Amino acid sequence: AQTVTQSQPEMSVQEAETVTLSCTYDTSENNYYLFWYKQPPSRQMILVIRQEAYKQQNATENRFSVNFQKAAKSFSLKISDSQLGDTAMYFCAFMNLNAGNMLTFGGGTRLMVKP
Amino acid sequence: DADVTQTPRNRITKTGKRIMLECSQTKGHDRMYWYRQDPGLGLRLIYYSFDVKDINKGEISDGYSVSRQAQAKFSLSLESAIPNQTALYFCATSDSRQQYQETQYFGPGTRLLVL
Repeated sequence: AQTVTQSQPEMSVQEAETVTLSCTYDTSENNYYLFWYKQPPSRQMILVIRQEAYKQQNATENRFSVNFQKAAKSFSLKISDSQLGDTAMYFCAFMNLNAGNMLTFGGGTRLMVKP
Repeated sequence: DADVTQTPRNRITKTGKRIMLECSQTKGHDRMYWYRQDPGLGLRLIYYSFDVKDINKGEISDGYSVSRQAQAKFSLSLESAIPNQTALYFCATSDSRQQYQETQYFGPGTRLLVL
């Protein structure tokens, strides 16, 4: 079974600054995807970024980028130029492509962006 | 209009009652999922369906049942609700025919309180 750990329950950052959220996972699989989802107070789950494990290049989506370290089983999210609208819970998730595409989520990190 | 809708958005029920949560999607996706989120935790998979005739148990299926009435509809039932089923319930969809078939898109969630 896979486990996903987010070691930072809460974080804060000043508007316009950069913040990095940590995620580690444990698996014996080699064929998987990793995701970051954002859950604002509206409680909607919004996809932020995805990473295929077979790709060495780190994924980027505008102000969001990841640092994927496969050997270390680490998948951190960097948010640049933080905006007030980035305030939300952030969940790291693991998908084993050999097991029904089931998502396994971490416990989440609550991010507060301060003006 | 939202691509993935869930009804009701909020529900209060009593212990022992049977209730149904419904999910509909206009995305044309073939795969649908039901997740549960408890306070301070990530989502956990209850059931998933890759096709109208395909139903699979997830991590925490006990006490729940599902019905895939059509490709666009996936219902979750609690046959006899109990207080520890109080949670936020999410429906999600994905499309096996798309380039990023592994990506799941979530509905707005249903908040359920069992008294």
